[in-house]
Amino acid sequence: DQQVKQNSPSLSVQEGRISILNCDYTNSMFDYFLWYKKYPAEGPTFLISISSIKDKNEDGRFTVFLNKSAKHLSLHIVPSQPGDSAVYFCAASGQAAGNKLTFGGGTRVLVKP
Amino acid sequence: EPEVTQTPSHQVTQMGQEVILHCVPISNHLYFYWYRQILGQKVEFLVSFYNNEISEKSEIFDDQFSVERPDGSNFTLKIRSTKLEDSAMYFCASMGQDLYNEQFFGPGTRLTVL
Repeated sequence: DQQVKQNSPSLSVQEGRISILNCDYTNSMFDYFLWYKKYPAEGPTFLISISSIKDKNEDGRFTVFLNKSAKHLSLHIVPSQPGDSAVYFCAASGQAAGNKLTFGGGTRVLVKP
Repeated sequence: EPEVTQTPSHQVTQMGQEVILHCVPISNHLYFYWYRQILGQKVEFLVSFYNNEISEKSEIFDDQFSVERPDGSNFTLKIRSTKLEDSAMYFCASMGQDLYNEQFFGPGTRLTVL
């Protein structure tokens, strides 16, 4: 079941530069898309979300873009900081309240000082 | 800031034994979930719980699994007879009345079945 895919398992970026993480999905019934960050031995931490009726949402250094026709979303982190080094998961859910999250496989980001 | 807590952080058990994983969701939340992540694999949905009953479960959540909310604060996952392939990180999550289905996750319990 590959309904949510993150094709890049890892990403290395210099401190201060932009990190761009990509996510593709196949299920057109998904209505909400979320990004989570995960450090080792911790649970996923919510970062930012977007509804399918929007194409962009911004929160500080984090911006999520949604291209519904391409079934593609991306997370931009700018500027990247060493503390951003973690695994980032894309997740999607249907519209109904309380719907489960379907996760991508994650992208490991390393921000080099 | 309120958070989801889970105990124990690590549980080691013998194959065939019963285990109970404990979670305390955020106090005013209404929706509760269990997910698991086998090493090197995706985070997978197991079960969701709302209004004192299971609202959805995955095909992983077979008769060996059960969930309970025995009081107003705890949410437990029981595995009746553990198998080697149940070894994974188990994450509890909870959610309030949220427009975007934003779920808050606990730190996880690492289950090792020998």
